[in-house]
Amino acid sequence: QSVLTQPPSASGTPGQRVTISCSGSSSNIGSNTVNWYQQLPGTAPKLLIYSNNQRPSGVPDRFSGSKSGTSASLAISGLQSEDEADYYCAAWDDSLNGSVVFGGGTKLTVL
Amino acid sequence: QVQLQESGPGLVKPSETLSLTCTVSGGSISSYYWSWIRQPPGKGLEWIGYIYYSGSTNYNPSLKSRVTISVDTSKNQFSLKLSSVTAADTAVYYCARADAGLSSSYYYYMDVWGKGTTVTVSS
Repeated sequence: QSVLTQPPSASGTPGQRVTISCSGSSSNIGSNTVNWYQQLPGTAPKLLIYSNNQRPSGVPDRFSGSKSGTSASLAISGLQSEDEADYYCAAWDDSLNGSVVFGGGTKLTVL
Repeated sequence: QVQLQESGPGLVKPSETLSLTCTVSGGSISSYYWSWIRQPPGKGLEWIGYIYYSGSTNYNPSLKSRVTISVDTSKNQFSLKLSSVTAADTAVYYCARADAGLSSSYYYYMDVWGKGTTVTVSS
């Protein structure tokens, strides 16, 4: 059971816009920033969005992030076949001495 | 361009200690937070902990009693030890560089990752 809640799967056709949600609580998303990681099959995770809505250099602007209250979302516009991957949200959690918590991951399928 | 590489035994016996090292190249370890993350087969990501280059650490509460992360700045390496392992510790283990701090709220993100190393716990 992950601390952050994501839908296990999502899908879309090429060119579509898809969103992936991430729900948390006041001790994590409600207090701190949210990051999104993309994990292509058989590879290490890659930072996709940091600090709620910032893209690292090299990440296409088709990817965008937002946060409201204790929830966050990742949006992918102009969906491409190479976007098929697992997506994880993460945030710092202030509980106990503080730690990083992840969502369970969302497997995105491009139909 | 900073690169990270995990190394260590791929097979560990139950009840023994798992030991991994992450070598940082292309940059100095003497800044940033240095993290370990693991991923059991077919499952999601789990943060294990971090060490700041100065030596301060923070561990996942669920693993805290078994985890030690250390740093060797002279070798540009940091290491993970996980004691009393069981089959549940079988996973791909990743090391990563993290940036963290406080602006309007606390931020912590892992921006450079190693390729990962598979560790199997079995007799």
